[in-house]
Amino acid sequence: RKEVEQDPGPFNVPEGATVAFNCTYSNSASQSFFWYRQDCRKEPKLLMSVYSSGNEDGRFTAQLNRASQYISLLIRDSKLSDSATYLCVASMDSSYKLIFGSGTRLLVRP
Amino acid sequence: NAGVTQTPKFQVLKTGQSMTLQCAQDMNHEYMSWYRQDPGMGLRLIHYSVGAGITDQGEVPNGYNVSRSTTEDFPLRLLSAAPSQTSVYFCASISVGGEAFFGQGTRLTVV
Repeated sequence: RKEVEQDPGPFNVPEGATVAFNCTYSNSASQSFFWYRQDCRKEPKLLMSVYSSGNEDGRFTAQLNRASQYISLLIRDSKLSDSATYLCVASMDSSYKLIFGSGTRLLVRP
Repeated sequence: NAGVTQTPKFQVLKTGQSMTLQCAQDMNHEYMSWYRQDPGMGLRLIHYSVGAGITDQGEVPNGYNVSRSTTEDFPLRLLSAAPSQTSVYFCASISVGGEAFFGQGTRLTVV
């Protein structure tokens, strides 16, 4: 079983839709969590960190559920430019050994 | 700002050849990592380093060596290339807050 698991998608949604991705992690000692965005044939870039109390950045909301060991990403009012692969990441703070999920592909159509 | 510089961008090797992928960062980060990305597999950790002189294995270390003689540089060596090592390789430099800054990637084909 992979340490970090995601639904690969693709999620195909119209512009303006709300879409949510979930991610589960198996190592209960994981301390830090992140969502990264990766465009086709490009390097991943940090989208947002995920805090225990949940956090919001514009149209993006991230939440963490430690009891169930999953994190989520909600995108509201989807834009065409949101089309990308979204990578869930967990890490052990002591080493910053970042473990990536396989990614969820999002396609936003006009 | 250079950030993370990774070279080369593309490489074709013959089976059995060796090569070194270069990675340099100018952000004074202690933590650096190497990943490979294959279709449907996401990024898998090859090796990582928590500071100069300290390295450790990740999920898929076989066939690769690393060293960290300085804070800035973290090269990845392929000892004897195999077709199974055909992949896209990313170097990452990681801040104290856990944010990873990636190089542009190396597309490696082993024939």
